[in-house]
Amino acid sequence: KAGVTQTPRYLIKTRGQQVTLSCSPISGHRSVSWYQQTPGQGLQFLFEYFSETQRNKGNFPGRFSGRQFSNSRSEMNVSTLELGDSALYLCASSLGGQRIDTQYFGPGTRLTVL
Amino acid sequence: AQSVTQPDIHITVSEGASLELRCNYSYGATPYLFWYVQSPGQGLQLLLKYFSGDTLVQGIKGFEAEFKRSQSSFNLRKPSVHWSDAAEYFCAVGGYNNNDMRFGAGTRLTVKP
Repeated sequence: KAGVTQTPRYLIKTRGQQVTLSCSPISGHRSVSWYQQTPGQGLQFLFEYFSETQRNKGNFPGRFSGRQFSNSRSEMNVSTLELGDSALYLCASSLGGQRIDTQYFGPGTRLTVL
Repeated sequence: AQSVTQPDIHITVSEGASLELRCNYSYGATPYLFWYVQSPGQGLQLLLKYFSGDTLVQGIKGFEAEFKRSQSSFNLRKPSVHWSDAAEYFCAVGGYNNNDMRFGAGTRLTVKP
């Protein structure tokens, strides 16, 4: 099976712009979670989508949003970018049938905000 | 709320030596515990997980971890380290009611030739 794929792998944006990141889960996986990884804060949970509904949400401002499509692919959007949004954004997929499940991570999208 | 502590930020071991990476967790109920490894510029790869049952868990690449409830620990071990094991290792805890995992800050492993 193909693993979790994320596009694009690298992005450079300027402050105030918005950005959309994409994640394609492993075939058959219905849950997609997003994480932000920075040197200072480490890995932090953003949100989880299951069957096109946001099931869990971390402690991030409303500028961070996401959605999931009927084929389980997910997108994450960040509006009004700030310098502090520079990070590696990781997507993870799981079967989703259980409330806690083994998550498989993609390679990440490296976002740089100038 | 669940939390994870990895006391060692950076560990250096010689190739062929044994390895133990420490992980302590805080969670009110039975935790679901994971160890992931991340190579530079890459995503996270699952090494092993503990949900229930045998407290000694075997993973990929020759790694194992032992769940000790009395010590709230889930330490990762490998009897003989290879140069390719150099990476960052993350311990994570998840609770049954949600799929948001809490990660430790990570331990960077350097392997000396």
